[in-house]
Amino acid sequence: EAGVAQSPRYKIIEKRQSVAFWCNPISGHATLYWYQQILGQGPKLLIQFQNNGVVDDSQLPKDRFSAERLKGVDSTLKIQPAKLEDSAVYLCASSLDRLGLTQYFGPGTRLLVL
Amino acid sequence: GENVEQHPSTLSVQEGDSAVIKCTYSDSASNYFPWYKQELGKGPQLIIDIRSNVGEKKDQRIAVTLNKTAKHFSLHITETQPEDSAVYFCAAPLLSGGGADGLTFGKGTHLIIQP
Repeated sequence: EAGVAQSPRYKIIEKRQSVAFWCNPISGHATLYWYQQILGQGPKLLIQFQNNGVVDDSQLPKDRFSAERLKGVDSTLKIQPAKLEDSAVYLCASSLDRLGLTQYFGPGTRLLVL
Repeated sequence: GENVEQHPSTLSVQEGDSAVIKCTYSDSASNYFPWYKQELGKGPQLIIDIRSNVGEKKDQRIAVTLNKTAKHFSLHITETQPEDSAVYFCAAPLLSGGGADGLTFGKGTHLIIQP
């Protein structure tokens, strides 16, 4: 079974630029999560989708971050405009459904904002 | 929401010895406690999890214990091997009550296995 796919793996941008990350979850997984992992810390949940609907986005900085999962499969996370403090690894995870609880993580996208 | 504290931040053990990592949580309604292993440049990988209706779970050299009264859970690795070197994270549901099931993570423990 293929795992969670993410791209790009690395991205370097200057502050105030915009950037987008893509995630393809495990086939058949209805629930998708985006986490932000700052160096030396544990992942922090940004947003959770159930199919194409948002379940929880309480920790998403909505003034600059947005995410969508239009067809209930792939998802895109966007930052516009980026700040220095957005430098982090952005992890996508998926689970079979909201009762499954077990979350499988992708390799992440490492973002550096200069 | 839930808050998870993890100790120690760094743990160095001799190969073949045991390692124990401890976490405490704040929400007594939390019912699911996974442990993840993260190697450099990779995403977290689930290694074991425990639900609140059991006190201990074991999978080969890895075990997790849960004390609901004290609100803490621990990861035990026996007969450590060089490939066990990594950062380990404990986690718990961010919100109880079934509203959502994203996870909140501890700050991680860097486990170093000395040859």
